[in-house]
Amino acid sequence: AQSVTQPDIHITVSEGASLELRCNYSYGATPYLFWYVQSPGQGLQLLLKYFSGDTLVQGIKGFEAEFKRSQSSFNLRKPSVHWSDAAEYFCAVFHGSGNTGKLIFGQGTTLQVKP
Amino acid sequence: DAGITQSPRYKITETGRQVTLMCHQTWSHSYMFWYRQDLGHGLRLIYYSAAADITDKGEVPDGYVVSRSKTENFPLTLESATRSQTSVYFCASSERTGGRYNSPLHFGNGTRLTVT
Repeated sequence: AQSVTQPDIHITVSEGASLELRCNYSYGATPYLFWYVQSPGQGLQLLLKYFSGDTLVQGIKGFEAEFKRSQSSFNLRKPSVHWSDAAEYFCAVFHGSGNTGKLIFGQGTTLQVKP
Repeated sequence: DAGITQSPRYKITETGRQVTLMCHQTWSHSYMFWYRQDLGHGLRLIYYSAAADITDKGEVPDGYVVSRSKTENFPLTLESATRSQTSVYFCASSERTGGRYNSPLHFGNGTRLTVT
């Protein structure tokens, strides 16, 4: 079955440090991959998405992610973390084809930013 | 304002009672979804709908009922609430272009449901 795994439940980084959040997927075909961010008490906001083409995708708020088919990974990165980046981050894969389908989410990674 | 709204924001109910969570979107998006968010499980899909009068089960549909008589509304009903249904529920919508899923989900702010 298709699935998404985020190995790190909780990550703490210092403000200004670089960040990498891991995401591994299990999917037979070419995946459609997404990263979402959830601030406390809020819904989820799309950071970036990968459908095809360039394997390094840019998103909002200075985030980027790299699709590596050989590793079944879609890790999220940011060169310099800001305190406002503290939130929960979800990786997701689209499962389906044609006009049917749904988004399957990973368990999430909580990011804490130290001053 | 255009967007997706969920109501109520908070709800406390007793075991065995029926409760309905409302979701309304103003974009005329074809697709709508209900997720529940629980610690350690991330977001799990309960039901989704591709269009009015078309619904399908997600990963955890048991104990829930949905309907979609109008494109803009997608209510979720817990027919007989149980404590295990205590969770935060998120509604989402997306539009469809062509035959490929290339539009993101737009999420509401969630409903926090407590079943006592």
